[in-house]
Amino acid sequence: AQSVTQLDSHVSVSEGTPVLLRCNYSSSYSPSLFWYVQHPNKGLQLLLKYTSAATLVKGINGFEAEFKKSETSFHLTKPSAHMSDAAEYFCVVTTSRNKLVFGAGTILRVKS
Amino acid sequence: EPEVTQTPSHQVTQMGQEVILRCVPISNHLYFYWYRQILGQKVEFLVSFYNNEISEKSEIFDDQFSVERPDGSNFTLKIRSTKLEDSAMYFCASSEVRRDTQYFGPGTRLTVL
Repeated sequence: AQSVTQLDSHVSVSEGTPVLLRCNYSSSYSPSLFWYVQHPNKGLQLLLKYTSAATLVKGINGFEAEFKKSETSFHLTKPSAHMSDAAEYFCVVTTSRNKLVFGAGTILRVKS
Repeated sequence: EPEVTQTPSHQVTQMGQEVILRCVPISNHLYFYWYRQILGQKVEFLVSFYNNEISEKSEIFDDQFSVERPDGSNFTLKIRSTKLEDSAMYFCASSEVRRDTQYFGPGTRLTVL
């Protein structure tokens, strides 16, 4: 069965410093992987997706993620955090029937 | 840019009452989904729907739940007799084809008293 583990429930960074949100997945087949972001009182917005093309995936707002099969990881990074990046981030894996399996979420706090 | 919309944004109901949560998926999408997020817990899959029938449902989606596409634009989730534990944020999503990206609505916060 597919599953996702987000290794940090909270991450705090200073504005202008790099962001790293960690995600490990488990899948019995070649999965599609996603990062979604949820700002307070907003819906789930797609940041980026991996679907077995390039292993380094670029998303919106300067975020990117690297698929590493050997490590079963799909960590989300951004070179320089902005105040508007403060939100909850979800790593998501698909099942063979396109059901999404969500991680527990990582709350990103950006300090000025 | 097309988006998924959901109404109402917040619904308060008494235990035992029926509620209907409404969603308008993106117009050319064919696959529709409901997920929910109980406060402090993970987002969980409830049901997927294609070609006017349920494709897959989770163990959460029992006989108290039903989905319907009553016309060409709306997609609804009905809870027949709400329980306290149904209090959650309910998200609708849609995708163009089965293995494609799912786009989410803003959610309906259901509070059962």
